[in-house]
Amino acid sequence: NAGVMQNPRHLVRRRGQEARLRCSPMKGHSHVYWYRQLPEEGLKFMVYLQKENIIDESGMPKERFSAEFPKEGPSILRIQQVVRGDSAAYFCASSPSPLTEAFFGQGTRLTVV
Amino acid sequence: QKEVEQDPGPLSVPEGAIVSLNCTYSNSAFQYFMWYRQYSRKGPELLMYTYSSGNKEDGRFTAQVDKSSKYISLFIRDSQPSDSATYLCATSSSGNTPLVFGKGTRLSVIA
Repeated sequence: NAGVMQNPRHLVRRRGQEARLRCSPMKGHSHVYWYRQLPEEGLKFMVYLQKENIIDESGMPKERFSAEFPKEGPSILRIQQVVRGDSAAYFCASSPSPLTEAFFGQGTRLTVV
Repeated sequence: QKEVEQDPGPLSVPEGAIVSLNCTYSNSAFQYFMWYRQYSRKGPELLMYTYSSGNKEDGRFTAQVDKSSKYISLFIRDSQPSDSATYLCATSSSGNTPLVFGKGTRLSVIA
């Protein structure tokens, strides 16, 4: 059973470009969570999705950031018009239900130049 | 006051020592508690998951939750150099609320 798969592992974007981060949850998991981690900082919650629904996006910046988890395919975190401050490691986690533990992927390291 | 406080360390111990890692939290509604281990440039790996107060043991790892004092602990017995990593505590109030993480404690176990 493969774990949570994130791609790409590393992404370099110029300021103003779009970044698309993908997350395929573990088999049988329908709950996906996105977190951002800055150097020397803990994991900061961004958004919680179930299939085709956004459950909680309280940690997501109001502008430029969006997330989806379609019926088919991976969850996508999209950052439009990236700025240097968006440079961070973005982690995705999945769980089979909201009352169980969440398993993380290896992350996507975004660098904005 | 931050929701979850965790001493960032670094904490350095000799091989074979018992390690105690701790977090405090402010929200009395928190009732799900987890410990993750994160190696450098890797994703967090779930170590322990507990609900409400009490102890849970898994091999060399023991997780403790004291809800009366809002204090959670992870003990590592017979520590090994391979235990060197950052340890993150996390908690949530219900299954539908996101995990809130501490900043992590960096542990080094010296051979």
